Amino acid sequence: GENVEQHPSTLSVQEGDSAVIKCTYSDSASNYFPWYKQELGKRPQLIIDIRSNVGEKKDQRIAVTLNKTAKHFSLHITETQPEDSAVYFCAAGNDMRFGAGTRLTVKP
Amino acid sequence: ETGVTQSPTHLIKTRGQQVTLRCSSQSGHNTVSWYQQALGQGPQFIFQYYREEENGRGNFPPRFSGLQFPNYSSELNVNALELDDSALYLCASSLALLTSGGFDEQFFGPGTRLTVL
Repeated sequence: GENVEQHPSTLSVQEGDSAVIKCTYSDSASNYFPWYKQELGKRPQLIIDIRSNVGEKKDQRIAVTLNKTAKHFSLHITETQPEDSAVYFCAAGNDMRFGAGTRLTVKP
Repeated sequence: ETGVTQSPTHLIKTRGQQVTLRCSSQSGHNTVSWYQQALGQGPQFIFQYYREEENGRGNFPPRFSGLQFPNYSSELNVNALELDDSALYLCASSLALLTSGGFDEQFFGPGTRLTVL
């Protein structure tokens, strides 16, 4: 099965700075890579996803890049805001194996 | 919010008991995955059902079992409950895109908080 590793486990940035979270995966057959944001006490919510036939996807301040050769994909958040503070999870594999999560704190 | 619902929202059981959790998938979705999320941790994949068949299983013992019904709703059953089973149980539905060899985005339900005393 798929094995997903996520780094860093915690990330603290100043408001307005950028944040980058990276995930690596093991199964070369994986072709769908979503990122979820989970606020305290709430369900994970999809914020962006990418398929293996593209290398980058952007949605306003959020972007995801995928390197299939190296088997890693990254979440980029620009111009961070305090409301971006949450736990972020990556996932990969046809059964959506999740990374361990990154707790992002954006300081005003 | 997504169209995925789960019941009950909270549940308290004692060790050794059995529990059944339920999930109604979003309209049009034929795949349901179940996850266990312990406090402060990421969701751990339990198993997935596609068109009533188990389609993958994570590292959980056989006392975790499931069903998917013809309307694609699903149940998670846990027998012989242990204290460590206390967690948030999430289900997520998606539409399998077998022609592309992968799965579409998942939509999560609100979860069932299980406490085992």
